[in-house]
Amino acid sequence: ILNVEQSPQSLHVQEGDSTNFTCSFPSSNFYALHWYRWETAKSPEALFVMTLNGDEKKKGRISATLNTKEGYSYLYIKGSQPEDSATYLCAFWTNSNSGYALNFGKGTSLLVTP
Amino acid sequence: GAGVSQSPSNKVTEKGKDVELRCDPISGHTALYWYRQSLGQGLEFLIYFQGNSAPDKSGLPSDRFSAERTGGSVSTLTIQRTQQEDSAVYLCASSYGQVVTDTQYFGPGTRLTVL
Repeated sequence: ILNVEQSPQSLHVQEGDSTNFTCSFPSSNFYALHWYRWETAKSPEALFVMTLNGDEKKKGRISATLNTKEGYSYLYIKGSQPEDSATYLCAFWTNSNSGYALNFGKGTSLLVTP
Repeated sequence: GAGVSQSPSNKVTEKGKDVELRCDPISGHTALYWYRQSLGQGLEFLIYFQGNSAPDKSGLPSDRFSAERTGGSVSTLTIQRTQQEDSAVYLCASSYGQVVTDTQYFGPGTRLTVL
């Protein structure tokens, strides 16, 4: 299992603030990076699947970028709303001789207050 | 069905008993994944299936855990001789085709409590 690190661990912002989180992963043998949003008492929801260096994806007010050469991805939320409060997870696929494995970061917990 | 379903939603069992958790993926999804989240821990990847085949079982926590998938659809995760450390929420997800690059859709989970 390879280290996927996310920062910050938690974040508290006011409604309307824009914010961003970082996901760092080993830059060798990159296959794909996934971002998930996980609200309390619900199931994880896929946000983005990123595969190419320089990828930039957007879904409403949320966007993400990917740098596979230096091993990081940023997730941005523009104009945070209370409903954005959740834990944001990134996960990095690795491959061994026997198959693939998905390595999760510990997540960034976001709280948006009105 | 409209989404991934899991059963039971809650399971309380006694230490040493066997339990079976079930996952019904979205119809037509060939890839299926099992995860668990123990109390205070992050999400842990257990195993994936491409069709009925699970190429890598090394993510299963111990040899008391096994998983199978038949007919390219339903999957069961079996835990034999349950221990208290097996208490967790077990999540299942499915995706259309490519294991690595396709979007995964998660089920509601099974909360397992081992007394």
